[in-house]
Parts: sequence; C-alpha cells; structure tokens
Amino acid sequence: EVQLVESGGGLVQPGGSLRLSCAASGFTFSNYWMSWVRQAPGKGLEWVANIKQDGSEKYYVDSVKGRFTISRDNAKNSLYLQMNSLRVEDTAVYYCARPTSSGGWRFDPWGQGTLVTVSS
Amino acid sequence: QTVVTQEPSFSVSPGGTVTLTCGLSSGSVSTSHYPSWYQQTPGQAPRTLIYSTNTRSSGVPDRFSGSTLGNKAALTITGAQADDESDYYCVLYVGSGIWVFGGGTKLTVL
Repeated sequence: EVQLVESGGGLVQPGGSLRLSCAASGFTFSNYWMSWVRQAPGKGLEWVANIKQDGSEKYYVDSVKGRFTISRDNAKNSLYLQMNSLRVEDTAVYYCARPTSSGGWRFDPWGQGTLVTVSS
Repeated sequence: QTVVTQEPSFSVSPGGTVTLTCGLSSGSVSTSHYPSWYQQTPGQAPRTLIYSTNTRSSGVPDRFSGSTLGNKAALTITGAQADDESDYYCVLYVGSGIWVFGGGTKLTVL
C-alpha cells in the first residue's frame, strides 16, 4: 500500500523553528517528485514546496522563500521541511503529497497531515 | 501573482447536477496547467477525484466528471448524493515549478 506519514508538528513560538518529516512506503520513493501542501485552520489548501527526485530542483511559494527548506533522503524514503523564522500565519496542517505524472499530473497520495501551531 | 478562482459555495439538491469551475485570474485554463480536482471532508486529507482535466482517479464514482467549460476547468457531479457534501479544490500548474490551488468550493447537498 502506498503510504505517506507525516510527523514533527507541534506548538512553536513566533520566530522559532520546526522540522517536519514524511515517511514514504509502498513505492520507489527516489523515482518521484515530492511536495508539501498546507491548510490553515478553516482555510483552503496552499501548495508550499516541491523537490525533484534527486533533490537538484526545489520550488517554493513566495511566502516561505528564504525561511523554509525542503529536502529528502532517498536512502531513508523520507521527505523533510525545515521551517525557520516561523510566523503566526504559518499555523496550518502540513500535508506531504506525491506529485504523480503517470497519465497526467496530480497530487496522489496524501498523508494524514501534521499540525503546526505558531503562537506565543 | 496568479490567482486560481473557484466559486466559494454551491448548493445542489439530492439527485441533482452541479458544475464547479476552476479559472485563472488572467488567461484561460489549458491542458498545460494540468488541472486536477480534490474532495475534502472536515478533518480528512484531500482525496484525488479528477486529473488531466477529465480522468477519474481510481475508485472515484462515475457521477464525477471533468471537462473544460469555456476558459475554465470544470467538475460536474451528476446525481449528487448526501455524502458528496464536501469542500472541492482544484489545482493548476502555473509554470516554473509552481502550483496554485483554488480557494475551494463548499458544496452543500440539500
């Protein structure tokens, strides 16, 4: 079964840091782009970042550029999101998702999400 | 700043048909935007419904269909059921490695 499991969320003060992890299983992780998507409480989905199979290309939404870093460890089948200089507006459920191009691009599957709360 | 537009809310009667749309703040949605659609119920992760404009994801009932409607991508639910009451999101690839989700449509079935 293809599965993504996020971890690492929690409560952090504004200006603080947090590292999210996503453990992948059931597929050849190193063959796929990977993404982070977030959802603020009561709000819509927002794409955050993508990383290419070998980590050579990374893309970010403007609001996190310079603060967040996406990375991966293909030997550990794991995706990461290092979040620095956190702001109250970064409070959200963070989903790990796999962009899949077979037959057409879409995000599938999704993890269950991990909640990040930025508050003093 | 590219904005992907969706109707904030829609209502449909049980058994009825509803079409939700996904547009761009400037320009038309095309196949090169790789439009896809997701269903999300409260507290759950999104579920993929449609990709490549009109391809149903595995296990998605055929009452869900995708199309192009004018200059937008569209999701049609034919014969709406009570458990179709959800939030629906589209996402578009806007180039340079960037994806943008629409604001979502809250669908009420009543």
